[in-house]
Amino acid sequence: KNEVEQSPQNLTAQEGEFITINCSYSVGISALHWLQQHPGGGIVSLFMLSSGKKKHGRLIATINIQEKHSSLHITASHPRDSAVYICAAGEAGGTSYGKLTFGQGTILTVHP
Amino acid sequence: DAGVIQSPRHEVTEMGQEVTLRCKPISGHDYLFWYRQTMMRGLELLIYFNNNVPIDDSGMPEDRFSAKMPNASFSTLKIQPSEPRDSAVYFCASSTGGGLRNEQFFGPGTRLTVL
Repeated sequence: KNEVEQSPQNLTAQEGEFITINCSYSVGISALHWLQQHPGGGIVSLFMLSSGKKKHGRLIATINIQEKHSSLHITASHPRDSAVYICAAGEAGGTSYGKLTFGQGTILTVHP
Repeated sequence: DAGVIQSPRHEVTEMGQEVTLRCKPISGHDYLFWYRQTMMRGLELLIYFNNNVPIDDSGMPEDRFSAKMPNASFSTLKIQPSEPRDSAVYFCASSTGGGLRNEQFFGPGTRLTVL
């Protein structure tokens, strides 16, 4: 069973700060997803990556396959970034092919 | 495209009643996922379909839960009989290429409360 661990579980920042959320997983994967869940409950996919780095606006996601670790960075954080950030690992094979296993989420609060 | 559509958005029912949640995936997407989210367990995959065929239902908690996808544009998740511990937010998501290669698009969720 693939375990996905996120840290920290809660994160509070001041507007403008650089933020990092970490995700570790236990077995081989084909892809790592980062999701954002807004206070209203909607879930949006931010990134899907299998190697290297991806950037979208102020958000950057990196993955190190050898170390089984991914990070989500937010530059120049803003109160509207306040949300729950969830990483999910896409399993690589066997009977669980295609299945996503989720981390417990990181609650980010950015104060003005 | 309207995105993934779920109905109802909120459902309140009494223990023992049958509950049916509905999902319309994005047109052209060949994968459909049902997830459950609770405070205690976070997001969990219940079942997913590829081309209307169930691929992995190992996350379905027990026989009270069943899911169908009669065609490419409609899926249901049924709970019969419902129990208070089924109270959660149920999300439907769709994608092309499954969870390994492509972004998943989530519906707004159905918040189920079983009294």
